[in-house]
Amino acid sequence: IAGITQAPTSQILAAGRRMTLRCTQDMRHNAMYWYRQDLGLGLRLIHYSNTAGTTGKGEVPDGYSVSRANTDDFPLTLASAVPSQTSVYFCASSAREGAYNEQFFGPGTRLTVL
Amino acid sequence: GQNIDQPTEMTATEGAIVQINCTYQTSGFNGLFWYQQHAGEAPTFLSYNVLDGLEEKGRFSSFLSRSKGYSYLLLKELQMKDSASYLCAVKDSNYQLIWGAGTKLIIKP
Repeated sequence: IAGITQAPTSQILAAGRRMTLRCTQDMRHNAMYWYRQDLGLGLRLIHYSNTAGTTGKGEVPDGYSVSRANTDDFPLTLASAVPSQTSVYFCASSAREGAYNEQFFGPGTRLTVL
Repeated sequence: GQNIDQPTEMTATEGAIVQINCTYQTSGFNGLFWYQQHAGEAPTFLSYNVLDGLEEKGRFSSFLSRSKGYSYLLLKELQMKDSASYLCAVKDSNYQLIWGAGTKLIIKP
């Protein structure tokens, strides 16, 4: 593994189903983030974690949950998917929270909820 | 509310120079980032400005004026591979990144 990986690459999901998007990084970064990207809108932060064992809510957290049991993994769960959650989801990490810390992004998961 | 504005789309010619502007209104300021995103791919870091002035990195330069809430990304000697979206993002007082919707840059031969 080099950098950040996400799985699955894409998924079509029936509304009401539960889904977990996986994210793993091997850079030993403390901070991790989940964003969604929709056409015409900027990246919007869903949840973040500044260090293992802690999580926080971003701009659009409703309908999503996260956990951070260890440094490397940061899964995002949709408890009961709805069509408005159709989006491209990016996981990102940075060395630490703070002013200058560039974020590194995974390749993204394209999710369609029908 | 917090707001980042950038043009939706720009067109330029191979070999030319293009300037992509970004204006922002955020609660606090802890730096401004520019990212490049090719279609269907992840964003990748281009530049970071926290002090006023110009930062040059090869063919790409980024400028910041904090008093005007304004930045631009300057791309010189445009190549076809520069066709991408360019995302402006500001770190607010909570150190969260607030993202613009991106500027799609189309390069013509």
